[in-house]
Amino acid sequence: AQRVTQPEKLLSVFKGAPVELKCNYSYSGSPELFWYVQYSRQRLQLLLRHISRESIKGFTADLNKGETSFHLKKPFAQEEDSAMYYCALRSGGYNKLIFGAGTRLAVHP
Amino acid sequence: EAGVAQSPRYKIIEKRQSVAFWCNPISGHATLYWYQQILGQGPKLLIQFQNNGVVDDSQLPKDRFSAERLKGVDSTLKIQPAKLEDSAVYLCASSFSGNNEQFFGPGTRLTVL
Repeated sequence: AQRVTQPEKLLSVFKGAPVELKCNYSYSGSPELFWYVQYSRQRLQLLLRHISRESIKGFTADLNKGETSFHLKKPFAQEEDSAMYYCALRSGGYNKLIFGAGTRLAVHP
Repeated sequence: EAGVAQSPRYKIIEKRQSVAFWCNPISGHATLYWYQQILGQGPKLLIQFQNNGVVDDSQLPKDRFSAERLKGVDSTLKIQPAKLEDSAVYLCASSFSGNNEQFFGPGTRLTVL
């Protein structure tokens, strides 16, 4: 079955600390993975996708097919990074996204 | 550019009543999606339209949920009759085509009492 697992509901860190939001997936085939973010009172929006291998707002994510993981990392967290983060898997040929349950990142001053 | 618009933003109804949600996608976006997000969970795709045709409705509870996109632009999602477990945020999203980035609306929060 196709599934995305985000094991942590809440990740709480202090400003300047490293952050790693975990994402594991189950998918038969070549996966396409994404991270979406929802800031307080804002819409869900795309943060980054694995195929572009880019760094957005200091965040990076590497697809590890051996461990079926796509963890989101940032070396130094900022207070403005506090938000809800969702890992998503594109399934099938019609752009269907399967989302994980999300991890709330709280960055404290 | 204007984003995806949804209305209403909030709706409270009693079980067995009917409710309808409206979505206006970004201009020029051919693909439209409706997601259901239950508290504590990630969004789950209910139905996907390509122009005015349905390409995926495998997770739509068709005995009570229906959706249409008659002119390939706006869409409505209806629940009739509502159950307590339908309490959720209903998100609409659109993309230029079936492989492009999805842009999400603000959502409609439905509470069924």
